Amino acid sequence: QQQVKQSPQSLIVQKGGISIINCAYENTAFDYFPWYQQFPGKGPALLIAIRPDVSEKKEGRFTISFNKSAKQFSLHIMDSQPGDSATYFCAARGDYGNNRLAFGKGNQVVVIP
Amino acid sequence: DAGITQSPRHKVTETGTPVTLRCHQTENHRYMYWYRQDPGHGLRLIHYSYGVKDTDKGEVSDGYSVSRSKTEDFLLTLESATSSQTSVYFCATWDSSTDTQYFGPGTRLTVL
Repeated sequence: QQQVKQSPQSLIVQKGGISIINCAYENTAFDYFPWYQQFPGKGPALLIAIRPDVSEKKEGRFTISFNKSAKQFSLHIMDSQPGDSATYFCAARGDYGNNRLAFGKGNQVVVIP
Repeated sequence: DAGITQSPRHKVTETGTPVTLRCHQTENHRYMYWYRQDPGHGLRLIHYSYGVKDTDKGEVSDGYSVSRSKTEDFLLTLESATSSQTSVYFCATWDSSTDTQYFGPGTRLTVL
């Protein structure tokens, strides 16, 4: 069963706009929530991550908002640029041991000029 | 990117043939992982390793085996490749000092 659910599946945003991707999880034992960015033909790369004791984390134009009670977290891309066009994956580390991550299915973001 | 290399980067093979993919890392990370990526499925864990000779199954391990005889190398073997194993395969390592999973560049495997 999928433990991390990501929405929407794809997103088209105007340059300068805000891209928002949402993830929901079930396992309350998850203790670490990273977002990965993947460009075509490349491996995923860590973009930003948050722990459940923090409600928001910002790095440059990227912000994670975390709602522990709702078991949801989201990625906000401010002032979206064409170079942000990529696939974004949310993930969560749980109580499986060995730092295993459960990944969402991914969200393709297209930023049009 | 944690110095992860994967070989080969592309491979075309025929159904029924054995295939071995190699992952090599230079950062001395303890944990290593093999994922497959398919449209609509995201990243799915095949096998992982938590040390030399210590491996365990992930969520889609059927038809795959792994071996880790050295810290730096993690091999994924398809004993008898099937068309359903056509995919992009990613190796990853875990940096415990930063709680970051790093991915390699991927191997595109096509099974005809």
